[in-house]
Amino acid sequence: DGGITQSPKYLFRKEGQNVTLSCEQNLNHDAMYWYRQDPGQGLRLIYYSQIVNDFQKGDIAEGYSVSREKKESFPLTVTSAQKNPTAFYLCASSIGKGSSGANVLTFGAGSRLTVL
Amino acid sequence: EDQVTQSPEALRLQEGESSSLNCSYTVSGLRGLFWYRQDPGKGPEFLFTLYSAGEEKEKERLKATLTKKESFLHITAPKPEDSATYLCAIKPPWWDSNYQLIWGAGTKLIIKP
Repeated sequence: DGGITQSPKYLFRKEGQNVTLSCEQNLNHDAMYWYRQDPGQGLRLIYYSQIVNDFQKGDIAEGYSVSREKKESFPLTVTSAQKNPTAFYLCASSIGKGSSGANVLTFGAGSRLTVL
Repeated sequence: EDQVTQSPEALRLQEGESSSLNCSYTVSGLRGLFWYRQDPGKGPEFLFTLYSAGEEKEKERLKATLTKKESFLHITAPKPEDSATYLCAIKPPWWDSNYQLIWGAGTKLIIKP
């Protein structure tokens, strides 16, 4: 079945550590996204990528980094510069811009990061 | 600043008790309004897209409607399995420098048997 796989499901980070969240999709979607979800708030966009080897900052990119070396993969690194990283992280994908259904996102199951 | 506000924050209903969830927005000329369902500890799942005022979409016990300033998600005779958080998002117009989805905080719906 096609879908998005995020790993790990749960992750614990110590102060000063970088951690990387994995996101892989087999939907042949061009666009991929990373969102952060905190209680009582709407999803906030961290980074997005419309095409391989290109990505753009979202609303809260500070303290995060991404890469898009393959169409299927869009890993997110939470760096030590992110001061409040405890949150639920969601990866999503969509058909490329200009296609019907381009705005419909398919989400992974999420990764919960906790800072110890 | 474009905003999306969902109300109520939480709603408890008895099984079979119909009600509506609200999503209001401030942007003019939106390019679409989207409803998603999210179960605890999982990613959101797409439900509906609405593009113009007066449009309606239905799926099982859910019906989404759109006006110029808000959308309603009507749930008819809900069952316990309809319990979830329902998220609303809008796509701003192309001239909006953001042009990415703007999300509401969600309504947590609990259906008691």
